Amino acid sequence: DAGVIQSPRHEVTEMGQEVTLRCKPISGHNSLFWYRQTMMRGLELLIYFNNNVPIDDSGMPEDRFSAKMPNASFSTLKIQPSEPRDSAVYFCASSLYFGTSSYEQYFGPGTRLTVT
Amino acid sequence: AQSVAQPEDQVNVAEGNPLTVKCTYSVSGNPYLFWYVQYPNRGLQFLLKYITGDNLVKGSYGFEAEFNKSQTSFHLKKPSALVSDSALYFCAVRDAYSGAGSYQLTFGKGTKLSVIP
Repeated sequence: DAGVIQSPRHEVTEMGQEVTLRCKPISGHNSLFWYRQTMMRGLELLIYFNNNVPIDDSGMPEDRFSAKMPNASFSTLKIQPSEPRDSAVYFCASSLYFGTSSYEQYFGPGTRLTVT
Repeated sequence: AQSVAQPEDQVNVAEGNPLTVKCTYSVSGNPYLFWYVQYPNRGLQFLLKYITGDNLVKGSYGFEAEFNKSQTSFHLKKPSALVSDSALYFCAVRDAYSGAGSYQLTFGKGTKLSVIP
């Protein structure tokens, strides 16, 4: 299995530019999570989807951030406009949930975003 | 609400010695508990989980964890540490009764493990 795939692995952009991060979850998984990791804040959950539907976006820092999951095999996280404080490593993770069963999340390699 | 605490920011251990990384949790119902490891410039990797059953859970790379309900703890252990175990370790929890549509894990802040040759 290929695991969770994220692209790009590194992104350097200037303040004010639009940034789009991409994620392909593990085939067959029905839940997808976007996280942000910084030294100051640690690992933060931004948003998660179940069966392509956003369930909880309370972690999205502000309206500049948006996420979509148009189908079971693809999700995007967009920042528009980007700001230097958005610099972080962004992780995508996927998992399989049904009923009350709980399974581990599998993380992608992350996208390191630097906004100058 | 669910929460998890990793009381130690850093743990240092000599190679060959046993290691313990501590985790305590708080949930309303029964916990689902997980340990992850993160190597530099990598994503988090799943190590092991406790859902139900035997309190001692064995996972990848020789790691194990013990669920203690009375102490609300889930400490990660390994009998003999390797230099290659040096990494950042995260404990995570989910309340088994958090309700339909609530699938997120709550992660601790992480503990940096350094194994000294």
